[in-house]
Amino acid sequence: EPEVTQTPSHQVTQMGQEVILRCVPISNHLYFYWYRQILGQKVEFLVSFYNNEISEKSEIFDDQFSVERPDGSNFTLKIRSTKLEDSAMYFCASRDRIYEQYFGPGTRLTVT
Amino acid sequence: DAKTTQPPSMDCAEGRAANLPCNHSTISGNEYVYWYRQIHSQGPQYIIHGLKNNETNEMASLIITEDRKSSTLILPHATLRDTAVYYCIVRVIKLSFGAGTTVTVRA
Repeated sequence: EPEVTQTPSHQVTQMGQEVILRCVPISNHLYFYWYRQILGQKVEFLVSFYNNEISEKSEIFDDQFSVERPDGSNFTLKIRSTKLEDSAMYFCASRDRIYEQYFGPGTRLTVT
Repeated sequence: DAKTTQPPSMDCAEGRAANLPCNHSTISGNEYVYWYRQIHSQGPQYIIHGLKNNETNEMASLIITEDRKSSTLILPHATLRDTAVYYCIVRVIKLSFGAGTTVTVRA
């Protein structure tokens, strides 16, 4: 069964550094998403992406965040200058024209 | 987004049916009811969705009341692997997760 994959599974970075989280959505999917979950808190929507542009974003998704689909298969989330409060699990999701979103296993980001 | 209300936790005996309620009294006519679950530290997993009619798949059944203001997710024969946080969501494009219901299946 096709699945969404994410790399790395765990990323440790120092405050102020840039990080790129990578996702490979399911191959025929058209809509892509990033969510995050701070430890012990609920899953929060960050951004949705369709047709090579952002279709919706939350208040969390400020100028420090960007997304890209650089090569037609990967979907990346970049955080330009990480803060301690960016420490969280980051989940990528994708869907086709049907409405179910399929989630990846997540990347645990730890900012020290 | 329509807001949902779920009990924070429930216990269920292995092998028995688990009935998870959800209230969504402000749901609008074109909003679907979705259920996802999150097993500890994993990504959320889609379970089932519906609009008006009851739905069944290999994982669960979804019963939606006629006025669509509430629904029930039924896991017909709960196993230990069904222990998870279950989320009822009524928005399609971006999923707005609430706190969910933590279901603990006991042997």
